Amino acid sequence: NAGVMQNPRHLVRRRGQEARLRCSPMKGHSHVYWYRQLPEEGLKFMVYLQKENIIDESGMPKERFSAEFPKEGPSILRIQQVVRGDSAAYFCASSPLLSRANEQFFGPGTRLTVL
Amino acid sequence: AQTVTQSQPEMSVQEAETVTLSCTYDTSESDYYLFWYKQPPSRQMILVIRQEAYKQQNATENRFSVNFQKAAKSFSLKISDSQLGDAAMYFCAYMASNYQLIWGAGTKLIIKP
Repeated sequence: NAGVMQNPRHLVRRRGQEARLRCSPMKGHSHVYWYRQLPEEGLKFMVYLQKENIIDESGMPKERFSAEFPKEGPSILRIQQVVRGDSAAYFCASSPLLSRANEQFFGPGTRLTVL
Repeated sequence: AQTVTQSQPEMSVQEAETVTLSCTYDTSESDYYLFWYKQPPSRQMILVIRQEAYKQQNATENRFSVNFQKAAKSFSLKISDSQLGDAAMYFCAYMASNYQLIWGAGTKLIIKP
């Protein structure tokens, strides 16, 4: 049973370009969470999605950032017009059911570098 | 709003010894979950142990155990018989009622051979 997959593992963008980060949850998991980790810091919640629904995007910047989890295919975190401050590791996690007891299984992360 | 504090940026321990990592949190909720995650150099986040707040018994997983003090809002992680493979960043996390994980800043654990 494959774990949470994220790609690419490393992404380099120039200021003003778009970044697309992909996350495939574990098989059977319908809940996806995105977190951002700045250097030397813990993770910060960004958004929580179920298939075709955004449940909670309270941690997502209001501009330039968007996320989706379509019926078919991976979840996508999209950052438009990237700036240097967007450089971070972006982690995706998935869980099977809506329960606080459930472990969130994490992917290996995508390290975004903005030049 | 809930917060999680890890006051030890770095800890070191001799191999085979025991080490305790501290974590405190702030919340007005009475029912919640707490987690310790390990992040090795590969950056893969791995669950170490979890605690349900309504359970008084401290969780244990092999060499890992917690000291959960609900009144003091303290959730420390004890690692017994430390091994070289335990070297990593350790993060304490709180599961809020809205299913967000609230994270501490992490403690870097160094194992001395």
